[in-house]
Amino acid sequence: DAKTTQPPSMDCAEGRAANLPCNHSTISGNEYVYWYRQIHSQGPQYIIHGLKNNETNEMASLIITEDRKSSTLILPHATLRDTAVYYCIAFHMEYGNKLVFGAGTILRVKS
Amino acid sequence: DGGITQSPKYLFRKEGQNVTLSCEQNLNHDAMYWYRQDPGQGLRLIYYSQIVNDFQKGDIAEGYSVSREKKESFPLTVTSAQKNPTAFYLCASSIGLSAEAFFGQGTRLTVV
Repeated sequence: DAKTTQPPSMDCAEGRAANLPCNHSTISGNEYVYWYRQIHSQGPQYIIHGLKNNETNEMASLIITEDRKSSTLILPHATLRDTAVYYCIAFHMEYGNKLVFGAGTILRVKS
Repeated sequence: DGGITQSPKYLFRKEGQNVTLSCEQNLNHDAMYWYRQDPGQGLRLIYYSQIVNDFQKGDIAEGYSVSREKKESFPLTVTSAQKNPTAFYLCASSIGLSAEAFFGQGTRLTVV
């Protein structure tokens, strides 16, 4: 599995867009990029995933560079409830593969 | 309502005792996972199972055991061989090979 690299922490003003970067320079052609977040003392929550194309859902947008070596998770209008640890994971859908979390990015949304 | 349930939320045990953490899901998911999280740290994979009667070790399986006799259930036993069992334990499930996993609310185990 490709290793992902994220900044340890970021701050964002409430109401502004939060842009969380992730580097995955060794990602293979059939590895997906997944994003999760974990609010304090809760289980992680799935946010979004993508392979090549940009993706959007009700929670966030995922922008993947054309060479697929990096991606950005965008929370368009961050709220205080978005304060959490955000995890970027590269995952290859094959039998025996395991879902492994890194250290993630602590996002602090401030009023 | 469909979901994944871990019980109990808080668990206290004396050192040297085995303890079993429950994880049940009614999502009809094939894959289930157990993670451990220590304060200020990320999740570390203990065991995972992608079909009934089959499971694989994760990165920190020593001192733990699991079973997968039913699709809905994936109990984790923390044995006395686990040197530092006090931690937050999270169970998850996903559809087949997808990484879109659903997590339980966790069990906080304290060994005294």
